[in-house]
Amino acid sequence: DAKTTQPTSMDCAEGRAANLPCNHSTISGNEYVYWYRQIHSQGPQYIIHGLKNNETNEMASLIITEDRKSSTLILPHATLRDTAVYYCIVRSRIGKLTFGTGTRLTIIP
Amino acid sequence: DGGITQSPKYLFRKEGQNVTLSCEQNLNHDAMYWYRQDPGQGLRLIYYSQIVNDFQKGDIAEGYSVSREKKESFPLTVTSAQKNPTAFYLCASSSGLEAGEKLFFGSGTQLSVL
Repeated sequence: DAKTTQPTSMDCAEGRAANLPCNHSTISGNEYVYWYRQIHSQGPQYIIHGLKNNETNEMASLIITEDRKSSTLILPHATLRDTAVYYCIVRSRIGKLTFGTGTRLTIIP
Repeated sequence: DGGITQSPKYLFRKEGQNVTLSCEQNLNHDAMYWYRQDPGQGLRLIYYSQIVNDFQKGDIAEGYSVSREKKESFPLTVTSAQKNPTAFYLCASSSGLEAGEKLFFGSGTQLSVL
């Protein structure tokens, strides 16, 4: 399974865009990139996922490089409620989630 | 309000005791999963089920058992054979097993050993 590498922690000012990078250099062709976030003692919350193309939804945007070896999650206007641990995940079939180390994002007022 | 409900939120197990964690979903999903999360670590797959009356072992199934008698329900039993059961347990579901189908998670059950 492909593994992911993320920075341990990041800070972002409230109202600014938060850009969270992820490296997944061993990803295979049929594996999707997923982003989830988790607040302490709660279940992970789905944010966005993609295979090759950039994706956008009401929560965030996902930018995947052309070689698919890395991606960036963008929260366009960060709020205090966005403070959480963000996981970049490569998913193959059978629900097998290969979790990275996660990035602890802190939104600063 | 659709979603996945796990109960209880906190559970304590005595030595030699089996305990059962509940997971119910009303999303009409076929696939359901159980994961274990240890402090500071990612999730590890215990069991998964693609359809009613069928389930498969994940990466760390030893000491655990499941059943899938109804589409909505996928209970997990932590048996006395699981020597290190203290962890945060997460149930998830998806419409299918394919990689492009996102998982939805419950709020988790924290299991501790007395």
